[in-house]
Amino acid sequence: QQQVKQSPQSLIVQKGGISIINCAYENTAFDYFPWYQQFPGKGPALLIAIRPDVSEKKEGRFTISFNKSAKQFSLHIMDSQPGDSATYFCAASVNQGAQKLVFGQGTRLTINP
Amino acid sequence: DTGVSQDPRHKITKRGQNVTFRCDPISEHNRLYWYRQTLGQGPEFLTYFQNEAQLEKSRLLSDRFSAERPKGSFSTLEIQRTEQGDSAMYLCASSPTRLAGGKATQYFGPGTRLLVL
Repeated sequence: QQQVKQSPQSLIVQKGGISIINCAYENTAFDYFPWYQQFPGKGPALLIAIRPDVSEKKEGRFTISFNKSAKQFSLHIMDSQPGDSATYFCAASVNQGAQKLVFGQGTRLTINP
Repeated sequence: DTGVSQDPRHKITKRGQNVTFRCDPISEHNRLYWYRQTLGQGPEFLTYFQNEAQLEKSRLLSDRFSAERPKGSFSTLEIQRTEQGDSAMYLCASSPTRLAGGKATQYFGPGTRLLVL
């Protein structure tokens, strides 16, 4: 019940295209869903986060779509750029992030120029 | 730089040796987390502190692992009698209990990469 499942494992997108990464969860007590971006040799960095009372959140080129009934959420990167090439992790937590994060397995995104 | 810092960044040790890692959180953050990340996987929770109190430990944290945060500021993670399976990136994160927006964002450090030979 604590798992967060992420797909795909890897993704190749052309520059300017839309990158879409999906996550699914089981634990209905989760109430905070962040996405982290990680470059090789670095720690994860928060990209964008959403609460389950909102169906969509947009920050610049990054959008989270949230489907509470399906227990699924996704990250959309519009106008993908080579600098977006990184590993992306979805995560979930209870207590609005004030407890441990449960991470997905990660998606290695490559943006071809 | 006011982010989370970790020391050392890399550690190579022989099986059976003890190692200790240090994490300095963002100064006003009272929550501190340790995670472990193996190659190609997402970080896995190990333990977390609120101030000096250790509030939760994962089943992943065997008896060989111990973490402390004695004065509610920096934290140490010690691994005794290291095994090859301990080779991983050890990540520290910190957060306030709540932000104004109601979320307690966790900010990660650069990690300590451990290799056990």
